[in-house]
Amino acid sequence: AQSVTQPDIHITVSEGASLELRCNYSYGATPYLFWYVQSPGQGLQLLLKYFSGDTLVQGIKGFEAEFKRSQSSFNLRKPSVHWSDAAEYFCAVAPSGYSTLTFGKGTMLLVSP
Amino acid sequence: DGGITQSPKYLFRKEGQNVTLSCEQNLNHDAMYWYRQDPGQGLRLIYYSQIVNDFQKGDIAEGYSVSREKKESFPLTVTSAQKNPTAFYLCASSISIAGVPPRNTDTQYFGPGTRLTVL
Repeated sequence: AQSVTQPDIHITVSEGASLELRCNYSYGATPYLFWYVQSPGQGLQLLLKYFSGDTLVQGIKGFEAEFKRSQSSFNLRKPSVHWSDAAEYFCAVAPSGYSTLTFGKGTMLLVSP
Repeated sequence: DGGITQSPKYLFRKEGQNVTLSCEQNLNHDAMYWYRQDPGQGLRLIYYSQIVNDFQKGDIAEGYSVSREKKESFPLTVTSAQKNPTAFYLCASSISIAGVPPRNTDTQYFGPGTRLTVL
């Protein structure tokens, strides 16, 4: 069965600094990969997704992610963090051809002034 | 505006009572999903439905039941058999071709969630 690991439970970044959130997956083939963001007490919003093609994916709010097959990773990046980016971020994976997603446990991003 | 609505936002239940959480979407999506979220646990799939009058168990279906009588609606009932029901419940939907398993290229859109607390 596929699995997703987000190694960092919490990350604190200074406003204006760069950000990288890690995501590793375990699956035999290339899965479909997603990053979602959740503000406190709210639903999830899709930031970006990777299905095939260019391994660098651009998303909303200035986020990007890079798929690295050799490392089974799909890390999320942002060059300059804003205070409004403080939220919980979830990586998700699904094997191609199926409908359900497997989510990581999330990384809470805190932004310091 | 198209979207997914969940009601109520907060729900309190006494032990031993069944409770039903509402999920409605006007996106004309065929597939709908229910997830449970616990602190530090991510999201876990309870049930999903690909088409009206059909649904499948997810990873943690025990103690829950669903129905799909209308395309727009996918209510979740938390029964008294669910031993630890206090959690945040999220509903989602995605485009699907009726009668065909949803393609994973179809993005899941989430509702705002319902927080259930058992007293």
